[in-house]
Amino acid sequence: EAEVAQSPRYKITEKSQAVAFWCDPISGHATLYWYRQILGQGPELLVQFQDESVVDDSQLPKDRFSAERLKGVDSTLKIQPAELGDSAMYLCASSLGGNQPQHFGDGTRLSIL
Amino acid sequence: SQQGEEDPQALSIQEGENATMNCSYKTSINNLQWYRQNSGRGLVHLILIRSNEREKHSGRLRVTLDTSKKSSSLLITASRAADTASYFCATAASNQFYFGTGTSLTVIP
Repeated sequence: EAEVAQSPRYKITEKSQAVAFWCDPISGHATLYWYRQILGQGPELLVQFQDESVVDDSQLPKDRFSAERLKGVDSTLKIQPAELGDSAMYLCASSLGGNQPQHFGDGTRLSIL
Repeated sequence: SQQGEEDPQALSIQEGENATMNCSYKTSINNLQWYRQNSGRGLVHLILIRSNEREKHSGRLRVTLDTSKKSSSLLITASRAADTASYFCATAASNQFYFGTGTSLTVIP
């Protein structure tokens, strides 16, 4: 079982609906990442947090995606409204920062109908 | 866009054989890391090699880094069926990570 907790593991929803993912990183890890991974490809960074601050959200589609890490611990990623092209695996990872190895959760598999 | 490109995209070998996969990248790095991903699961860190290192070993894994060619290779020796997974390289520089496209390895028992 992954040390980084993510929920739900699977989510099926219809387009135009709202969807939210939750991540609880390893205790003490200041850096938290959200990635999107399309089947057969590598993870692509959506947003990176250092404590509660966003340090990189350049690839986050801000018209529909939002992310927060209010107390600098767990984090939520939201999509509203969901589109068919959002179907993918959403992975959360945490690290001590400074280019150190990342620890991943098992992800949320999102399917948009 | 992703910085790393793995080669080959897919690799199928018999148990006991060695598996080699390569990674090329575009810009200067602080370190390069290799990760493994089993189907439907998250990525697991395997090994990190710093930009001033040329080779590193960890169990059955051997990683090389050539910064002049901006390339790295991962060698898995004496492969096992349990090594079947996707393998990704990730370049790290200035607190930014870029994952490659991955190599899908199948080890046939």
